[in-house]
Amino acid sequence: EAGVAQSPRYKIIEKRQSVAFWCNPISGHATLYWYQQILGQGPKLLIQFQNNGVVDDSQLPKDRFSAERLKGVDSTLKIQPAKLEDSAVYLCASSLDGITGGYTFGSGTRLTVV
Amino acid sequence: KQEVTQIPAALSVPEGENLVLNCSFTDSAIYNLQWFRQDPGKGLTSLLLIQSSQREQTSGRLNASLDKSSGRSTLYIAASQPGDSATYLCAVRPGSGGYNKLIFGAGTRLAVHP
Repeated sequence: EAGVAQSPRYKIIEKRQSVAFWCNPISGHATLYWYQQILGQGPKLLIQFQNNGVVDDSQLPKDRFSAERLKGVDSTLKIQPAKLEDSAVYLCASSLDGITGGYTFGSGTRLTVV
Repeated sequence: KQEVTQIPAALSVPEGENLVLNCSFTDSAIYNLQWFRQDPGKGLTSLLLIQSSQREQTSGRLNASLDKSSGRSTLYIAASQPGDSATYLCAVRPGSGGYNKLIFGAGTRLAVHP
């Protein structure tokens, strides 16, 4: 089966600019996750969707980050305006039902804010 | 609050050695535990998933054990090879299931030299 697709692979922006990331999960996977991984740390969950509804966005900085999952398939994560501390790898993952089994991760988008 | 710690943070070994990576978690009420591998600039690849009712899982040269009561898991790599060089991440899914997110450790960076 095809994996989790993410784009772009790399992005460099100046602080206060906006940026958007895209994720296409594995076909049929109901649960989609966005994780932020700062260099030297483990991934931290930003937001979790079950189909097109939000299950957990408790660690999403809502003043600058937003995410949506239209029609329960693709998802976009947006940052506006970006700060230097947003420099990280943004990982998208999907899971069949979000309850049992494991996750499949995409290759991630490396964001550098200068 | 669940916290996951991985020791050591980095490890360098000669090819052929057997090695053990350690993961500890503060709350024993977990649903499952998963070990991932992350290559530089890449996403996460799932290695082994252990359900809370299981004691261990094996895949090829990898063996992961789980002692839920003591809050520990180990990943054993037999006959290490240079291709095993990567960061290994441990993650737990808290609670009795449901849509709980994975909580990651910071990882162990492994270098296997010829």
